[in-house]
Amino acid sequence: QKEVEQDPGPLSVPEGAIVSLNCTYSNSAFQYFMWYRQYSRKGPELLMYTYSSGNKEDGRFTAQVDKSSKYISLFIRDSQPSDSATYLCAMSDDYKLSFGAGTTVTVRA
Amino acid sequence: EPEVTQTPSHQVTQMGQEVILRCVPISNHLYFYWYRQILGQKVEFLVSFYNNEISEKSEIFDDQFSVERPDGSNFTLKIRSTKLEDSAMYFCASNGGRNRHEQYFGPGTRLTVT
Repeated sequence: QKEVEQDPGPLSVPEGAIVSLNCTYSNSAFQYFMWYRQYSRKGPELLMYTYSSGNKEDGRFTAQVDKSSKYISLFIRDSQPSDSATYLCAMSDDYKLSFGAGTTVTVRA
Repeated sequence: EPEVTQTPSHQVTQMGQEVILRCVPISNHLYFYWYRQILGQKVEFLVSFYNNEISEKSEIFDDQFSVERPDGSNFTLKIRSTKLEDSAMYFCASNGGRNRHEQYFGPGTRLTVT
């Protein structure tokens, strides 16, 4: 079983829709959960960081962590064409990050 | 807003040659990392560096790889004898220590080994 699994998509939504992204993982030692956004041929940009289980909201972005199910989610409300990118989940129990494969999202104007 | 910078943006080299990839982490950050992303694959951890020594490295980071902080601002990754399979995007990341999981990435160096 892969350590971090993420559906690569692609995911295409109309402008204004809610984008729902998720990852599952197998390593129960993971305590720290991150979401990164990556534009084509650019470096990952940190969007959200969550420690342990729970929800975190930042503007249009909401991150959820359910450690009992080993499942994390990112929701993007009122999506904009500028949100079109690849979204990577990442998680850690120490200081090295384990990444998912990334989900490519296109928001259609 | 401070950011991690990397040079060069693209490096082409022949198999067997040495390459040095350079990074300038965010000022006052204490922890430094290298990751790589082979085209179409996941971002993979290579090495972490703190207080002028390697704190952790992956299986990928073998004897062909080395890291150095030659001065107060630069952080380098050296590959001694490049192989075709070293072709990838190499990302440098840093964080300030207060929260070591909030790692900030540079734009990457695309390494092409021919």
